[in-house]
Amino acid sequence: GAVVSQHPSRVICKSGTSVKIECRSLDFQATTMFWYRQFPKQSLMLMATSNEGSKATYEQGVEKDKFLINHASLTLSTLTVTSAHPEDSSFYICSATWVAGRAWNEQFFGPGTRLTVL
Amino acid sequence: AQKVTQAQTEISVVEKEDVTLDCVYETRDTTYYLFWYKQPPSGELVFLIRRNSFDEQNEISGRYSWNFQKSTSSFNFTITASQVVDSAVYFCALSSYNTDKLIFGTGTRLQVFP
Repeated sequence: GAVVSQHPSRVICKSGTSVKIECRSLDFQATTMFWYRQFPKQSLMLMATSNEGSKATYEQGVEKDKFLINHASLTLSTLTVTSAHPEDSSFYICSATWVAGRAWNEQFFGPGTRLTVL
Repeated sequence: AQKVTQAQTEISVVEKEDVTLDCVYETRDTTYYLFWYKQPPSGELVFLIRRNSFDEQNEISGRYSWNFQKSTSSFNFTITASQVVDSAVYFCALSSYNTDKLIFGTGTRLQVFP
């Protein structure tokens, strides 16, 4: 099956710093990638959808200047949490798919990145 | 608006017991997809099943079975003869036709004790 990786798996940073999380599709070209955030013992909330070569579409309530998403190639999307604060501590999960004119395109999930902001 | 409700926050069972995880959804779409995912302690989501709204046949896969009832907007998941390895958080999710956005329920944490 299709494999999606995330790096780093865990990151601890000081408040005010920026953190970049990478999401890679290892064996397929991902035309679309999704970024989710999951707070402890809560559900996954979609933050944004990114299509290769275009600007990301953010869900309502997600600050685009806070969470910068870049999908510069068909195998890599990055999420940068700018000026991170303790309330940004969360589990960030990406997923990837390739759109092929089907009614539904399966999403393949990465293993997640646990961000802790001190 | 679309919504997925998993009313059971946590369930604890003893090994070999059967357990059913409930999922109720809301959507105005006539065509949609329903999913179940497993999230073990490691955090990585594991895809279990996808069902489209036109297919109400129940499905069985080993110890897992799913009951889809459009009349009650439910898509319940049963694990037969549960095992300790089944301990995880299980998410039900919904997606509309021609969109890849997944709307997740709040999840049910299943603990299976030996």
